[in-house]
Amino acid sequence: EAGVTQFPSHSVIEKGQTVTLRCDPISGHDNLYWYRRVMGKEIKFLLHFVKESKQDESGMPNNRFLAERTGGTYSTLKVQPAELEDSGVYFCASSQDLLGLAPTDTQYFGPGTRLTVL
Amino acid sequence: TQLLEQSPQFLSIQEGENLTVYCNSSSVFSSLQWYRQEPGEGPVLLVTVVTGGEVKKLKRLTFQFGDARKDSSLHITAAQPGDTGLYLCAGVNIQGAQKLVFGQGTRLTINP
Repeated sequence: EAGVTQFPSHSVIEKGQTVTLRCDPISGHDNLYWYRRVMGKEIKFLLHFVKESKQDESGMPNNRFLAERTGGTYSTLKVQPAELEDSGVYFCASSQDLLGLAPTDTQYFGPGTRLTVL
Repeated sequence: TQLLEQSPQFLSIQEGENLTVYCNSSSVFSSLQWYRQEPGEGPVLLVTVVTGGEVKKLKRLTFQFGDARKDSSLHITAAQPGDTGLYLCAGVNIQGAQKLVFGQGTRLTINP
């Protein structure tokens, strides 16, 4: 079974440009999460989709970030316009819907997209 | 805002030694997970501890959840070079709200 995939693996852009990151979750996983690790800091939650709906977007830094998951399959995270502080590694993770059968689901992480804003 | 303080951030020891990594918080977590991350890859789940005081063993790795579910530790016995990597703790704050709160990570190097 294929794991979580992310594209691109690396992106280098100029400040003010737009970048779109893509995440393909494991097939059948309703939950999709975006996280970000800024250099020297811990991995931080950005948002959580259940199917195509945003369950929790409390971690989104500001309105320059737009996440979508049309059709409840893959997700995109667009940064427009990018700023220097947006540099970091963006991780996507997916998990099954356990319907309350277990206290914690297992999130499977993708390899991340390393974004560098110059 | 819930925080997890993970220590140490860097640890370099000789093969065969024992080590312990700590994660501490002032907040209660419903469960706590430990991950290992290799370069160029995402974190991979090692274990989940749920009950206060719970101890889980994975070969030479022992994971413990504090009685009050605010802290956790990872102990490695007789470390091997293959244990080298980045270890992350992550807390789940509310059952049903599955966002993870991560510690900063411990970069572990085991020297042959």
